[in-house]
Amino acid sequence: SQTIHQWPATLVQPVGSPLSLECTVEGTSNPNLYWYRQAAGRGLQLLFYSVGIGQISSEVPQNLSASRPQDRQFILSSKKLLLSDSGFYLCAWSGVKEPQHFGDGTRLSIL
Amino acid sequence: SQQGEEDPQALSIQEGENATMNCSYKTSINNLQWYRQNSGRGLVHLILIRSNEREKHSGRLRVTLDTSKKSSSLLITASRAADTASYFCATDAITAGNKLTFGGGTRVLVKP
Repeated sequence: SQTIHQWPATLVQPVGSPLSLECTVEGTSNPNLYWYRQAAGRGLQLLFYSVGIGQISSEVPQNLSASRPQDRQFILSSKKLLLSDSGFYLCAWSGVKEPQHFGDGTRLSIL
Repeated sequence: SQQGEEDPQALSIQEGENATMNCSYKTSINNLQWYRQNSGRGLVHLILIRSNEREKHSGRLRVTLDTSKKSSSLLITASRAADTASYFCATDAITAGNKLTFGGGTRVLVKP
């Protein structure tokens, strides 16, 4: 069966520090991969979307970037974090025209 | 603005009662999905209804879709305390590929 792993679960970082969040999927090949951000008590905002290795679509202009170095690995990065980057970050995968399956998220706090 | 908007934003009911929440959207869709999120966790897919379907059931869940009104409803029957969570609708728009647009969610509290 397919599983998705996302880490770390929580992260506290100072303003201006770099960021790297990792997401990996097991049990499937060539998944679509997604990074979302969720503000407290709100819905999900799609940040990045990938249909294959090295293929990244950015949905909103921001301080973050994403990379897909391997088929089932999706990384969310920043060179210098801003206070506004705080939030709950969720990774998800799907097949084509199938429901998305989510990781357990990373709670990112910027101090 | 968001493609999907849920109503109400919050709902408090007694165990055993039914919970109904609605979702409205703006553009033509391939399908509409409902997800559940427990506090501080990822989302769990509940049910998918395609644009050519009008009603779908899964256990205690019943989803309807009215494409003429661009709206959907999720009914949870005989609610349990464990149903306490936030529920989100998400639309797969025809022009959006496989990307989903999520609404703001309905927070449901089921009191024992």
